[in-house]
Amino acid sequence: EAQVTQNPRYLITVTGKKLTVTCSQNMNHEYMSWYRQDPGLGLRQIYYSMNVEVTDKGDVPEGYKVSRKEKRNFPLILESPSPNQTSLYFCASSWEGGGSPLHFGNGTRLTVT
Amino acid sequence: GQNIDQPTEMTATEGAIVQINCTYQTSGFNGLFWYQQHAGEAPTFLSYNVLDGLEEKGRFSSFLSRSKGYSYLLLKELQMKDSASYLCAVRSPTRFGAGTRLTVKP
Repeated sequence: EAQVTQNPRYLITVTGKKLTVTCSQNMNHEYMSWYRQDPGLGLRQIYYSMNVEVTDKGDVPEGYKVSRKEKRNFPLILESPSPNQTSLYFCASSWEGGGSPLHFGNGTRLTVT
Repeated sequence: GQNIDQPTEMTATEGAIVQINCTYQTSGFNGLFWYQQHAGEAPTFLSYNVLDGLEEKGRFSSFLSRSKGYSYLLLKELQMKDSASYLCAVRSPTRFGAGTRLTVKP
């Protein structure tokens, strides 16, 4: 089954404790992206990647890191989480170009206390 | 930069027709998408427009005017299950409006 898999679904952590949210897709998509979704603000792009070893900042990259060592994986790293990073996070992937829509993971609800 | 605007909330009656508007300003344009997102779930793809005009898909249609930076999503024969948020997005890379929360009432 074609899918984007995010883990974990729920995560509660404390300020400053490094964490990684994993994202994997099995569709051989070139493009992958991370979004955070906050009430009233919609989906805001954190980072995106056009292919292996190619990553770019989105609109809200501060406090986040990503890597794209393999085509299928695009982990999101919070080196020192803070309470303002409490949010719902989505990973998404697509073919690059044309009308290829984004395929989303099921989301990760992160709470930083 | 990019600016994508859509109404925050709309309410409609079961069986009716509703039109959700989206205006955008973007430095580059490679198409406009509409996604549906039920509460607590991931967005799912509804439609894509890259040329001016209307694209119809069953009960859902989407319209694009590139010269006006304007799109709308038209939902016909509304059903209770259509209660959701509808997200307008332009690419690339893909950026989203804040979403329109639609409530369908009996």
